[in-house]
Amino acid sequence: QKEVEQDPGPLSVPEGAIVSLNCTYSNSAFQYFMWYRQYSRKGPELLMYTYSSGNKEDGRFTAQVDKSSKYISLFIRDSQPSDSATYLCAMRLNNAGNMLTFGGGTRLMVKP
Amino acid sequence: GAGVSQSPSNKVTEKGKDVELRCDPISGHTALYWYRQSLGQGLEFLIYFQGNSAPDKSGLPSDRFSAERTGGSVSTLTIQRTQQEDSAVYLCASSFRLAQETQYFGPGTRLLVL
Repeated sequence: QKEVEQDPGPLSVPEGAIVSLNCTYSNSAFQYFMWYRQYSRKGPELLMYTYSSGNKEDGRFTAQVDKSSKYISLFIRDSQPSDSATYLCAMRLNNAGNMLTFGGGTRLMVKP
Repeated sequence: GAGVSQSPSNKVTEKGKDVELRCDPISGHTALYWYRQSLGQGLEFLIYFQGNSAPDKSGLPSDRFSAERTGGSVSTLTIQRTQQEDSAVYLCASSFRLAQETQYFGPGTRLLVL
C-alpha cells in the first residue's frame, strides 16, 4: 500500500463546476500538506500549502486537512478549462528533512 | 528572475550506457532536490542537498544512481549502466532553505532507455 493514495482519474467536469480532489494517507506523523498543479510536460507548481488540520482559501481554491481521518481535499470553484491539469497532493514530516511524499496525481479535464 | 532549469529536456539512450542530468537551481536557493516521476506514478524522492552538508541519499533506488552539487549551485544526477526501468521524468526542485515548504520545480528531463 502506498503512503499517499490519490485517485488517478481522469476527472472530467463541465466549465463552472465545483471540483473536489482528494488524498488519503497512512502516516499520522505528516504535518505539512500541499497541492501542486502540473501541466503537461511541465514541472509541478505549488498551489496550496496547509500546516496541520484546518482549511485554507485562496481565490477559487480551498484546501482542507482532516488529520483525524488522514484525508485532505482540494476544492476548485467555478472551474475553468485552464484548470485542466494533473493535481498532485504532497506532504511531509515535521522535522529537518524536507523531502515530500507525493500522491500519484489526479488528472482533471474541464470542458468548455 | 529565472526559475529552475534542467538539461537536457529529453534524453534517449541505450541500455547499459551512462547518462548525466543537469539542474540549475534558482539563484540563492540553498536546498536542492531530485525526484523521479514514472508514468502513472507520483513523484518519488531521490536525494536532497542543503548547503555544504552531506546530502540525504536515502531515496536513491540503487548504487547506479549518484548525484553531486558543485559550489552549492549546479547539480548533476548520474545514472550508470542505465536500465529500461530507469525511463522516467527526472525533476529537480530548489528552495530558499531546508525548512521552506515551497519547492520550485524545473521542467524535468525525460529519459528514455531503449
